[in-house]
Amino acid sequence: EAQVTQNPRYLITVTGKKLTVTCSQNMNHEYMSWYRQDPGLGLRQIYYSMNVEVTDKGDVPEGYKVSRKEKRNFPLILESPSPNQTSLYFCASSLRTASYNEQFFGPGTRLTVL
Amino acid sequence: GQQVMQIPQYQHVQEGEDFTTYCNSSTTLSNIQWYKQRPGGHPVFLIQLVKSGEVKKQKRLTFQFGEAKKNSSLHITATQTTDVGTYFCAGPTAPLYGNKLVFGAGTILRVKS
Repeated sequence: EAQVTQNPRYLITVTGKKLTVTCSQNMNHEYMSWYRQDPGLGLRQIYYSMNVEVTDKGDVPEGYKVSRKEKRNFPLILESPSPNQTSLYFCASSLRTASYNEQFFGPGTRLTVL
Repeated sequence: GQQVMQIPQYQHVQEGEDFTTYCNSSTTLSNIQWYKQRPGGHPVFLIQLVKSGEVKKQKRLTFQFGEAKKNSSLHITATQTTDVGTYFCAGPTAPLYGNKLVFGAGTILRVKS
């Protein structure tokens, strides 16, 4: 089944404790991205990747890191999480660019930073 | 930077009533996408509009792209409880800046049966 998977689905952590949220897709998509969703703000793009070893900042990249060592995986790293990073996070992928291509979203990761 | 504004933020309708959400961009869009997110779920692609003045229909849903390609709308005729969710529009940033996708804040639709 074609899908985007994320792990963990729920995470409660404390300020400053490094964490990684994994994202994997099995559709051989070139484009992958991370979004955070907050009430009243919609989906805001954190980072995106056009292909392996090619990443770039979205609109809210501060406090996040990403890597794209393999085509299927695009982990999101929070090196020192803070309470303002409490949010619902979605990974998404598309065949090629964000333009003109349907985005497939993962199920989401709800992160709480205490 | 580029902004995509979406109104209304929230709408509560009686089942059988119509519903419309509007999306306005500060810049001309090459195309616009619409997504639906059910409560507790993830966004799911509905449709993409590319041409100026384009109108597309999916059963009770009608999507329009403005002549100037700066606004779009989604109209649902005779809402049903299955239409409940948040509807987002999304547009790519200017080609110069590559492949960032900007989403509107979404319109939350609640349907009372």
